[in-house]
Amino acid sequence: QVQLVQSGAEVKKPGASVKVSCRASGYTFTNFYLHWVRQAPGQGLEWMGIMNPTGGTPTYGQKLHGRVTMTSDTSTSTVYMELSSLRSEDTAVYYCARDCGGAGSCSHAFDHWGQGTLVTVSS
Amino acid sequence: EIVLTQSPGTLSLSPGERATLSCRASQSVSSNYLAWSQQKPGQAPRLLIYGASSRATGIPDRFSGSGSGTDFTLTISRLEPEDFTMYYCQLYDGSQWTFGQGTKVEIK
Repeated sequence: QVQLVQSGAEVKKPGASVKVSCRASGYTFTNFYLHWVRQAPGQGLEWMGIMNPTGGTPTYGQKLHGRVTMTSDTSTSTVYMELSSLRSEDTAVYYCARDCGGAGSCSHAFDHWGQGTLVTVSS
Repeated sequence: EIVLTQSPGTLSLSPGERATLSCRASQSVSSNYLAWSQQKPGQAPRLLIYGASSRATGIPDRFSGSGSGTDFTLTISRLEPEDFTMYYCQLYDGSQWTFGQGTKVEIK
């Protein structure tokens, strides 16, 4: 079955960077784009960006553009999200999610999600 | 940037009742790319509806979606105890993805 397994919780100081991983299994990794979504405590969902696991330039959300970098490693079926210059407001659960594809599939909805990674930014 | 506004913020109903959740877009959008997800506390979201009205795999038929243009609706025909949680609408506008702020369905 499709699984997205993320790395463990992180505690970082303001100004530092964090790198979260998301390892995919149960499907052909290169056939589906992957998103990153975050959720601050008690808040809603915020889309961060999408990447093609085979490479190419990711598309980032406007709010985090310039601080976020998404990469992939096809040899391990893993995508990474690195967020730099961390601030307290970056404290959130970070999710990876699979894009199910365009027409003929489920129309770019997110059909599978990782379990989430809590990133806490605190001095 | 298209903004999705969900209403109400909180919906208080009893088990067995019908729930109607609204998602309004700030401009007309393609219904092909409007989705609904459910999120329980401490869990990742789960896809319920895609393409405004198609149920995702394994989703019970008490969940249905409808709408077009700027107004979309998620209907839960008869609330089960496990349905009392958060719901988000989501849109792909051709270049970006956006979420609504969510509707909480709580037990009255």
